[in-house]
Amino acid sequence: RKEVEQDPGPFNVPEGATVAFNCTYSNSASQSFFWYRQDCRKEPKLLMSVYSSGNEDGRFTAQLNRASQYISLLIRDSKLSDSATYLCVVNSNTGFQKLVFGTGTRLLVSP
Amino acid sequence: DGGITQSPKYLFRKEGQNVTLSCEQNLNHDAMYWYRQDPGQGLRLIYYSQIVNDFQKGDIAEGYSVSREKKESFPLTVTSAQKNPTAFYLCASSGTSGTATGELFFGEGSRLTVL
Repeated sequence: RKEVEQDPGPFNVPEGATVAFNCTYSNSASQSFFWYRQDCRKEPKLLMSVYSSGNEDGRFTAQLNRASQYISLLIRDSKLSDSATYLCVVNSNTGFQKLVFGTGTRLLVSP
Repeated sequence: DGGITQSPKYLFRKEGQNVTLSCEQNLNHDAMYWYRQDPGQGLRLIYYSQIVNDFQKGDIAEGYSVSREKKESFPLTVTSAQKNPTAFYLCASSGTSGTATGELFFGEGSRLTVL
């Protein structure tokens, strides 16, 4: 089983739609969780951290469910510019704190 | 402006040749990393360095080598021993607590193709 698993998509949504991605992780000792965004053929960039209490940044909301070992990302009022691949990242907390990247979920927002 | 610079952006090599990918940062970050990204796979850690003159193997270090003689620089050599070197290589850096906060700063990547 992969340490971090994501649905690769693509998720095709119209502008203005709400879309949600889930990501599951296998290491129950993981302490920190993040979402990165990667545009086509570009480098990943940190989108937001995921806190136990959930957190919101504008149209983006991230949630953590430790009991079920998954994190989610909700995007409201999708924009064309949201089209990208969203990477789920987990700090594996094994000695040197290693970040484990999921394969990413591709989002395509259409007019 | 501070950032990470990788070069070259695109590189073609013949089988059996070693190639070195450059990574320079002016963010004054202690830690630097090399990742490899293949289609349908997540980023995989090749090597990382927490301080100058020290580095550790990541998950897929075989066929690669690195050096960290200066804080700003962390070059990666892809040797002929690497069985499947065609990939997108990403260099990243973080402050001391970078991996705790999850914030890695990436370069624009180097796309290596073996002919």
